[in-house]
Amino acid sequence: EIVLTQSPGTLSLSPGERATLSCRASQSVNTNYLAWYQHKPGQAPRLLIYGASTRATGIPGRFSGSGSGTDFSLTIGRLEPEDFAVYHCQQYGTSPYTFGQGTKLEIK
Amino acid sequence: QVQLQESGPGLVKASETLSLTCTVSGDSMTTYYWNWMRQPPGKGLEWIGYIYYSGNTKYNPSLKSRVIMSVDTSKNQFSLKLSSVTAADAAMYYCARESGESKGLDYWGQGTLVTVSS
Repeated sequence: EIVLTQSPGTLSLSPGERATLSCRASQSVNTNYLAWYQHKPGQAPRLLIYGASTRATGIPGRFSGSGSGTDFSLTIGRLEPEDFAVYHCQQYGTSPYTFGQGTKLEIK
Repeated sequence: QVQLQESGPGLVKASETLSLTCTVSGDSMTTYYWNWMRQPPGKGLEWIGYIYYSGNTKYNPSLKSRVIMSVDTSKNQFSLKLSSVTAADAAMYYCARESGESKGLDYWGQGTLVTVSS
């Protein structure tokens, strides 16, 4: 199965700063079927990005995804207070689907 | 607005079968894949498998021997059964919808916590 490694494990930043989260795959992700999710405690995870770089419906423009093959990243342009959460990447190009272990974005 | 809600016992005895149901509201179940994931405390998400609205399934090989998924489109529900549970199966369980257009898991439930007692 494809192992996804997210880094860093925790990212401490202030509102207004730019955040870059990384997701590295153990082998190439088929057709760049890579998604990013935002997850807040007690809430349902929220799809942000699919196909490595396409924003899901209703997702603000400050969220962007990039990458291909084995290296992917999620960038949040200017952090808003509501952006502090855990972010998961997922590959859905090869079964079994797999997730990274998550990056916690916390307020500095 | 599409909503998913997991339901089922929060406590299961070791060696018994975990049974969860996900109820879908706000849209039809047709043309979608219906997924189950779980997240043990302090660990990442694990994909359990999916069931297509027509009943076709795909399971994670790591759990395949113990998993059965079913769907009832007349009730807008799909279900997960995981047999012979152990402490390793204690986790938050999530259901989610996946379109057939490779656009990721676009709607999720809030999750339900399952604890395994010895």
